Amino acid sequence: DAGITQSPRHKVTETGTPVTLRCHQTENHRYMYWYRQDPGHGLRLIHYSYGVKDTDKGEVSDGYSVSRSKTEDFLLTLESATSSQTSVYFCAISVSGNQPQHFGDGTRLSIL
Amino acid sequence: QKEVEQNSGPLSVPEGAIASLNCTYSDRGSQSFFWYRQYSGKSPELIMSIYSNGDKEDGRFTAQLNKASQYVSLLIRDSQPSDSATYLCAPGDSGAGSYQLTFGKGTKLSVIP
Repeated sequence: DAGITQSPRHKVTETGTPVTLRCHQTENHRYMYWYRQDPGHGLRLIHYSYGVKDTDKGEVSDGYSVSRSKTEDFLLTLESATSSQTSVYFCAISVSGNQPQHFGDGTRLSIL
Repeated sequence: QKEVEQNSGPLSVPEGAIASLNCTYSDRGSQSFFWYRQYSGKSPELIMSIYSNGDKEDGRFTAQLNKASQYVSLLIRDSQPSDSATYLCAPGDSGAGSYQLTFGKGTKLSVIP
């Protein structure tokens, strides 16, 4: 299995609070991704990174920010969480853009 | 907006039968194609990659690609109850510097013992 660790695995928080999710990899892969998965919508890309300090927006980036200060860590931050951001969040990594992505175990986030 | 279409199912097949999962995509320039299996409450798991037209076999799984028709499929032979899951099709985006996959919403497969 690809060495990908997401933390926390579960989180319940209140509307308006900041939330940071962490993705840590031990594979030294260049590309890292954050997705959310919701019923009826499938997997949707939030942000991705193609190197340290190199990030770009995905399909559903509003309300989210990311940072990557080290190859192994990719952080997703919800500056002020809203109930619409209740979802399951997956981190994925890839050796290159044309290669498959491998997923972490996910974080289940509930915003009340 | 790139589109990936999959029949949502559920697709029910008896144990031992062949399950056929289909996917069409809108990005004519896609060069890489992936199938993922996702069990309920779990993360997607890569089961097949295909890059060239034709068939690619791996154990009980066969991926078929037709770029001209913008169509990719996954066949599962001798289906087992443990194959019951949602299957996600994911073509790679085309274009220079593109590092993204676009995921279909998935087909839910149920293998009946």
